[in-house]
Amino acid sequence: AQSVTQPDIHITVSEGASLELRCNYSYGATPYLFWYVQSPGQGLQLLLKYFSGDTLVQGIKGFEAEFKRSQSSFNLRKPSVHWSDAAEYFCAVVDNNNDMRFGAGTRLTVKP
Amino acid sequence: GAVVSQHPSRVICKSGTSVKIECRSLDFQATTMFWYRQFPKQSLMLMATSNEGSKATYEQGVEKDKFLINHASLTLSTLTVTSAHPEDSSFYICSANELYGYTFGSGTRLTVV
Repeated sequence: AQSVTQPDIHITVSEGASLELRCNYSYGATPYLFWYVQSPGQGLQLLLKYFSGDTLVQGIKGFEAEFKRSQSSFNLRKPSVHWSDAAEYFCAVVDNNNDMRFGAGTRLTVKP
Repeated sequence: GAVVSQHPSRVICKSGTSVKIECRSLDFQATTMFWYRQFPKQSLMLMATSNEGSKATYEQGVEKDKFLINHASLTLSTLTVTSAHPEDSSFYICSANELYGYTFGSGTRLTVV
């Protein structure tokens, strides 16, 4: 079955520092991949998605992600983190049944 | 862009009662909607896939008699938590599949007392 793994449960970075959140997927074909952000008690906001084409995907709020088939990865990056970026980040994959399945999430803390 | 409206946003109910949560696609038709449950500090777990005009497909371990899903029209799916118990307290989120991706509702915080 298709699945997505986020190996980092919690990451702390200083404001202004760069950020990379890891995501690995298990899928036989080219997957549909997504990154969402969730603030406490809130719904999900889509940051970016990958279906096909250019493997470097630009999203909202200055985020980008790169699809690397050889590494089965879709890591999320941001060059300079802002305090408002503190939240929970979820990587997701759409499986053969068009069901979206989520990784465990990575909680981002931003230090002043 | 596509909008999914989910109501109520918060509900508190007594143990043993039933609660209905609505999920509406406002500006598109959704033949398929999805229901997720999220416990505190955990990820979203897919509960079931709701297809318009047919029975929902439930994930393994999800009780279909407890979590009743109805998708009577192309813009509305409902999740009814029957005979709710405190362990059903959770954050429930719906989503709909449309042309350019998946759109999520804002979630429903259910507290069973």
